[in-house]
Amino acid sequence: KAGVTQTPRYLIKTRGQQVTLSCSPISGHRSVSWYQQTPGQGLQFLFEYFSETQRNKGNFPGRFSGRQFSNSRSEMNVSTLELGDSALYLCASSSRTGTMSEQFFGPGTRLTVL
Amino acid sequence: AQKITQTQPGMFVQEKEAVTLDCTYDTSDQSYGLFWYKQPSSGEMIFLIYQGSYDEQNATEGRYSLNFQKARKSANLVISASQLGDSAMYFCAMREQNAGNMLTFGGGTRLMVKP
Repeated sequence: KAGVTQTPRYLIKTRGQQVTLSCSPISGHRSVSWYQQTPGQGLQFLFEYFSETQRNKGNFPGRFSGRQFSNSRSEMNVSTLELGDSALYLCASSSRTGTMSEQFFGPGTRLTVL
Repeated sequence: AQKITQTQPGMFVQEKEAVTLDCTYDTSDQSYGLFWYKQPSSGEMIFLIYQGSYDEQNATEGRYSLNFQKARKSANLVISASQLGDSAMYFCAMREQNAGNMLTFGGGTRLMVKP
């Protein structure tokens, strides 16, 4: 089974631009979660989608948004980029929800905002 | 209060020795899950081991075991027979009952294995 894939792997943008990151979960997985990892704030939850519905959202401004398609692929969008948005963005997929559901992470997209 | 605390920012261990990475957590939920992930320099998060709050036995996965002490709210990871490839960041994470698939992570411990 193929793992979680994220594209692109690296991205350089300038302040004020917008960016879209993509995540393809493991085949059959319906839950996709997004995390932001920075040296200062660590790993922080952005949002989770399950069967095309946002189930949970972290404490991020409205510039951060996401969606999930019928094939479970997910995209996240960041508008009006700020320098502080430079981070590793990780996507995780799971076949179900609940405390026992294991999450598998992708390799991440490293975003640099200049 | 921090939900997940990892008090060791960095640790050294000699190759072939065992090492314990500390993790304490804070939750009022009765049902929760605790996870450990390994993150090499490449960035990918690799799942290592899982412990459910109702599991009576400590979880084990190969060289990894989880020392779960519920009353103390601790979930320490034990790596036996350390290998050079174990050098990485290690993260403890928790999923609470009503949080969907949201994981709350600790700050991580950087483990360095010495030859």
